[in-house]
Amino acid sequence: AQSVTQLDSHVSVSEGTPVLLRCNYSSSYSPSLFWYVQHPNKGLQLLLKYTSAATLVKGINGFEAEFKKSETSFHLTKPSAHMSDAAEYFCVVSTNDYKLSFGAGTTVTVRA
Amino acid sequence: DTEVTQTPKHLVMGMTNKKSLKCEQHMGHRAMYWYKQKAKKPPELMFVYSYEKLSINESVPSRFSPECPNSSLLNLHLHALQPEDSALYLCASSQDFPGTSYEQYFGPGTRLTVT
Repeated sequence: AQSVTQLDSHVSVSEGTPVLLRCNYSSSYSPSLFWYVQHPNKGLQLLLKYTSAATLVKGINGFEAEFKKSETSFHLTKPSAHMSDAAEYFCVVSTNDYKLSFGAGTTVTVRA
Repeated sequence: DTEVTQTPKHLVMGMTNKKSLKCEQHMGHRAMYWYKQKAKKPPELMFVYSYEKLSINESVPSRFSPECPNSSLLNLHLHALQPEDSALYLCASSQDFPGTSYEQYFGPGTRLTVT
């Protein structure tokens, strides 16, 4: 079975400093992995996806993630946080029955 | 255009009412989904339609009835709901289903309150 663990339920950063959101997965298959962001009272927006091409994936709004098979990790980073990055972030793996398995989410707050 | 639209944005209904949620996409996607999201939780899959046919029903109570009139539209008919059904209902679409690499595009959701 596939599963996703987001290691931090809440991350607080100062504006202009780096953001790191950690995600570990377990999968019996070669996984497809995604990061989504959800701003308050909004739908989910796709930030980036990994589908067995380059291990370093660039996404929208300056975010990128690195797939590390040996560590079964897919951490999301951004070099410089902006106030608009305050949101809920979900790490997601596509399971072998083709459904999305969501992590519990990480709430990001950005301090001015 | 990667937009999925949902109407209404907000809905308040009594337990004896019948209402419908609507979802539309014009990306040519052949798969559409309904999710339920409670506060501070990730979305939970309810239904999957592929090529306008119901592919997955995640043991959802019959008071929720999905309908896919055509490849661009997805409805969720609601009847005799319970207060615990209050949630954000999200629609999504993807290029195809099944397929692990197909990302899903989500709509903004309908905030449902059952009184």
